[in-house]
Amino acid sequence: QKEVEQDPGPLSVPEGAIVSLNCTYSNSAFQYFMWYRQYSRKGPELLMYTYSSGNKEDGKFTAQVDKSSKYISLFIRDSQPSDSATYLCAMSVGTGGFKTIFGAGTRLFVKA
Amino acid sequence: GAVVSQHPSWVICKSGTSVKIECRSLDFQATTMFWYRQFPKQSLMLMATSNEGSKATYEQGVEKDKFLINHASLTLSTLTVTSAHPEDSSFYICSAYTGGESQPQHFGDGTRLSIL
Repeated sequence: QKEVEQDPGPLSVPEGAIVSLNCTYSNSAFQYFMWYRQYSRKGPELLMYTYSSGNKEDGKFTAQVDKSSKYISLFIRDSQPSDSATYLCAMSVGTGGFKTIFGAGTRLFVKA
Repeated sequence: GAVVSQHPSWVICKSGTSVKIECRSLDFQATTMFWYRQFPKQSLMLMATSNEGSKATYEQGVEKDKFLINHASLTLSTLTVTSAHPEDSSFYICSAYTGGESQPQHFGDGTRLSIL
C-alpha cells in the first residue's frame, strides 16, 4: 500500500464546474498538507498549504483536511480551461519539504 | 516571492557526456534544496537533499557518484549527471526551502534531459 493514494484520472469536466480532487493517506503522523498544480513540462506550483485538520480557502480554491479519516480534498470553483493541469497532493510530518510524500497526481481537463 | 530558477530548461546530449543543472533561489536564501526526478505521468521521486556547505543526503537507490550535487552557496545548488546514458533521460526538478516554521518548499520549472 502506498503512503499516499491519488486517482490519476484523467478527470474531464465542463467549464464552470466545481472540481473535487482527493487523496487518502496511511501515515497518521502527517501534519502538513499541500496541493500543487503542474502544467505540462513545468515544475509544480504551490496552490494550498495547510497544517493539521480543517478548511482553508484561497480565491477559487478550497482545501480540506480530515485527519480522522486520513483524507484530503481540493475544490476548484468555476473551473476554466486554464485550470487544465495535473494536480498533486503532498504531505509531510514536518515543515520545509523534508520527507514530503507526493501523490501520483490527477490530470484535469476543463472543456470550454 | 520565493522564486526558484532552474537552468537549462531542456538539454539534449550524447550518451557518455556529463550534464550540469543549476538551481537558484532568486529572492531568498535556501539552506536546503531538494532534487527530484519525474518520469512521464508519474509523481515526483526525491533523489537527494542538498544542504549548503555540507554533503548531500541521497535517497536509497540513488547513485551518489552518478548524480553529483554541490550546494556551494545559499542561493545555488547544482546537479551533475555524470556519464549520462539514455536511461537517465527524465525530468529533473529542484525545490528550495525558505526556512522558518510552517514553510513549504518551492519548485523550479524543471529540466528536461534527453540522452541520445
